[in-house]
Amino acid sequence: AQSVTQPDIHITVSEGASLELRCNYSYGATPYLFWYVQSPGQGLQLLLKYFSGDTLVQGIKGFEAEFKRSQSSFNLRKPSVHWSDAAEYFCAVGLSGGYQKVTFGTGTKLQVIP
Amino acid sequence: NAGVTQTPKFQVLKTGQSMTLQCAQDMNHNSMYWYRQDPGMGLRLIYYSASEGTTDKGEVPNGYNVSRLNKREFSLRLESAAPSQTSVYFCASSEWLDNSPLHFGNGTRLTVT
Repeated sequence: AQSVTQPDIHITVSEGASLELRCNYSYGATPYLFWYVQSPGQGLQLLLKYFSGDTLVQGIKGFEAEFKRSQSSFNLRKPSVHWSDAAEYFCAVGLSGGYQKVTFGTGTKLQVIP
Repeated sequence: NAGVTQTPKFQVLKTGQSMTLQCAQDMNHNSMYWYRQDPGMGLRLIYYSASEGTTDKGEVPNGYNVSRLNKREFSLRLESAAPSQTSVYFCASSEWLDNSPLHFGNGTRLTVT
């Protein structure tokens, strides 16, 4: 079974600083990889996804993520954080083969300070 | 453009009471899901419906039942609520059961006392 690890439970960054949220997965084949964001009191919203091809994927709100097979990682990055980016971020991995079984990480809560 | 709509937003139950959480989507998606979110545990899949007329157990189905009423609606029922079912419940939908991106509702916060 696949698993997802987000090693940072909580991260604080200053507005305007760069951001990197870590995600490591465990799965034998190339997985489907996702990043979702959850604002307080809201459901999750898809930021970006990786299925195949270019390992650097662009998402909404200025986020990007890079798939590194050798490190089993799919880290989320943003060059300059805005106060509105404060939220909880979830990495998720899906199995291939036509069966939807997405496993979510435990989330990283991002705090942005002025 | 409503997307995925869940009702109610909040609910308090006593142990042993029953209730149904409602979910409807207006995106013509084929697949629908129920997740629960607990602190430090991420989201865990309770049940899913690949398409109208089918339902299957997810990771944590015990104590729950579901009904795919039609293509739009997917309800989750707690027959006899327990304190362990205190959680935030999310309904989601996707175009197909093939790692299509999930679209989530805003959640139902359930407390069982």
